Amino acid sequence: EAQVTQNPRYLITVTGKKLTVTCSQNMNHEYMSWYRQDPGLGLRQIYYSMNVEVTDKGDVPEGYKVSRKEKRNFPLILESPSPNQTSLYFCASRSGVNTEAFFGQGTRLTVV
Amino acid sequence: GDSVTQMEGPVTLSEEAFLTINCTYTATGYPSLFWYVQYPGEGLQLLLKATKADDKGSNKGFEATYRKETTSFHLEKGSVQVSDSAVYFCALSEFEGATNKLIFGTGTLLAVQP
Repeated sequence: EAQVTQNPRYLITVTGKKLTVTCSQNMNHEYMSWYRQDPGLGLRQIYYSMNVEVTDKGDVPEGYKVSRKEKRNFPLILESPSPNQTSLYFCASRSGVNTEAFFGQGTRLTVV
Repeated sequence: GDSVTQMEGPVTLSEEAFLTINCTYTATGYPSLFWYVQYPGEGLQLLLKATKADDKGSNKGFEATYRKETTSFHLEKGSVQVSDSAVYFCALSEFEGATNKLIFGTGTLLAVQP
């Protein structure tokens, strides 16, 4: 089954404690992205990757890092989380330009 | 830059009512347009799409037509069901340089009552 898998689904952490949210896709897609969803703001792109070892900033990259060492995996790293990063996070992958994006089920992160 | 504006919710309807959720866009090129749906506790999934002007996307009784002259992509359904209750996102896909970015509207919550 074609899918994007994120882990964990829920995470509560304390300010400053490094964390990683994993994302994996089994569709051999080149394009992967991370979004955050906040009430009244829709989805905003954090980082994206066009292929292995190729990543770039989206609209709200501050406080986040990513890596793309393998085509299937695109982890999101928060080196020093802060309360304003409390949000619902989605990973997505696409096969090409103007194609459908497949989303993971989301990670609800709370930073206290 | 490119942007998407959709009507604010929540939209509350009775079962079998007609649904319209408005979506307009601003784009410098010729984007593809999408409607995504998010059911409670789940990720977004594609509902329908249109890749060029005058195309009509349709799925599960929902329809939307790509109107270049009015820069709109309104979502419609003739008879909603309780199971259609969800958040609906309009989105466009731009390809500026190498970004291949999806730009989303803020989402519209639809609540259908029995």
